[in-house]
Amino acid sequence: DTEVTQTPKHLVMGMTNKKSLKCEQHMGHRAMYWYKQKAKKPPELMFVYSYEKLSINESVPSRFSPECPNSSLLNLHLHALQPEDSALYLCASSPKEAETRYYGYTFGSGTRLTVV
Amino acid sequence: AQTVTQSQPEMSVQEAETVTLSCTYDTSESDYYLFWYKQPPSRQMILVIRQEAYKQQNATENRFSVNFQKAAKSFSLKISDSQLGDAAMYFCAYNFNTDKLIFGTGTRLQVFP
Repeated sequence: DTEVTQTPKHLVMGMTNKKSLKCEQHMGHRAMYWYKQKAKKPPELMFVYSYEKLSINESVPSRFSPECPNSSLLNLHLHALQPEDSALYLCASSPKEAETRYYGYTFGSGTRLTVV
Repeated sequence: AQTVTQSQPEMSVQEAETVTLSCTYDTSESDYYLFWYKQPPSRQMILVIRQEAYKQQNATENRFSVNFQKAAKSFSLKISDSQLGDAAMYFCAYNFNTDKLIFGTGTRLQVFP
């Protein structure tokens, strides 16, 4: 299995809703990432998990809450989002954080989030 | 600070022709990695090719090759025999440190039959 699987593919949520994005990989990768991508822009790093521990939080608002229950799964919990949070949310993984420089990332196909 | 610049927001090429996408970067490091990613309308970012800065030989992957000029800090992508399936956003990316890729702003490639 050489894929990163993200669910759901599309999500529409109100500003008072609570929802979660899910990311799963079975490649044995120990580093996982959440990126936010606006239209026609490059991805922006949000969070990095290394060996199931949060290693980087790029000053992301607390309405985004990541969780890494195990080495294969990464969640992003969403609460009280704003319309400007509408974007494509990409999950990625790499063998180890220290090997990202060589292998780069394996990306999922993303969740298209619309906040209304 | 490291930065990656893609000066061509859009490029177009005819099927079977060759196109070159430009990328420049700024770094004071000597050992780093460079990548080209492709993002088609399906949204998934796909690794096209990687280059290790300490290797002088340019990387190639089938129809994709790079022209890596370390002194000029330039890393262009050449796509030969372009195909309709090559149409996508292309992002150049840099990695020195262990934890994150630094992406350029992207180039949208259109391929015409």
